[in-house]
Amino acid sequence: KAGVTQTPRYLIKTRGQQVTLSCSPISGHRSVSWYQQTPGQGLQFLFEYFSETQRNKGNFPGRFSGRQFSNSRSEMNVSTLELGDSALYLCASSSAGELFIDTQYFGPGTRLTVL
Amino acid sequence: DAKTTQPPSMDCAEGRAANLPCNHSTISGNEYVYWYRQIHSQGPQYIIHGLKNNETNEMASLIITEDRKSSTLILPHATLRDTAVYYCIVRVAINRDDKIIFGKGTRLHILP
Repeated sequence: KAGVTQTPRYLIKTRGQQVTLSCSPISGHRSVSWYQQTPGQGLQFLFEYFSETQRNKGNFPGRFSGRQFSNSRSEMNVSTLELGDSALYLCASSSAGELFIDTQYFGPGTRLTVL
Repeated sequence: DAKTTQPPSMDCAEGRAANLPCNHSTISGNEYVYWYRQIHSQGPQYIIHGLKNNETNEMASLIITEDRKSSTLILPHATLRDTAVYYCIVRVAINRDDKIIFGKGTRLHILP
C-alpha cells in the first residue's frame, strides 16, 4: 500500500497570508490527524477527522482549521499567518473506527516557513 | 502532558543492541505502549506497540515489565540509520480520542 502523502512538501509564505495543506491517507484509512512540530514546542496535536467530521481538537487558535472529504483526503488551513506558525506540519492516518483506535502512520510532512 | 518519561539522549555502538527505556508509572489497564521514531525532519515512523506481553517485529522488540510501569525498546543490531529521536507513548486502546501526545523522546546516537 502507498503511504500517507502530503503536499506540498515545502512552502514559503509571508505574514498575514493564508495557506492550505493537503493530506492523502493510506487507502482504507478513515481517520486523519494533523500535528504541528516546532523546535520549541515539539510535536503537538492539532485536530483529527473521521468520516468528514472533526472528532478531536487540540489547543490551537481558530486560525487553524481543517476538513475531510468523502474520500478521506484532508486539508488544513491556516489563516492570517504569523511568524510562529513556521513549523513542520504532519498528517497521520489510521484505520480507527467509531469505537476503537489503531496505529497512526505519518506522512513526510509539509515544511512551512513564514517570513 | 505526556504520560511517559524517557532519557533525553543515549549513545550506542554500531552493531550492538540499543536498549531504550521508558517509564509510564501512571499507565492504565486499557492503555497500550507505542513506540515511534523520527529521523531528522521526516515524519515519525511507527515501530511497535504492546499491551502487556512482550512483542517483536522485524524492526525491534518491546519488553514491558509485569507491573506495566516501564518498558524497553530493543534494536537488536543498531546501525547508523537508527540514529533518530525515539518516542514512547501511551494510548487508550478503545477510545474515540484518536490523538497522540508526544513527549520529548530520546535522541539515540549510533556511534561508528
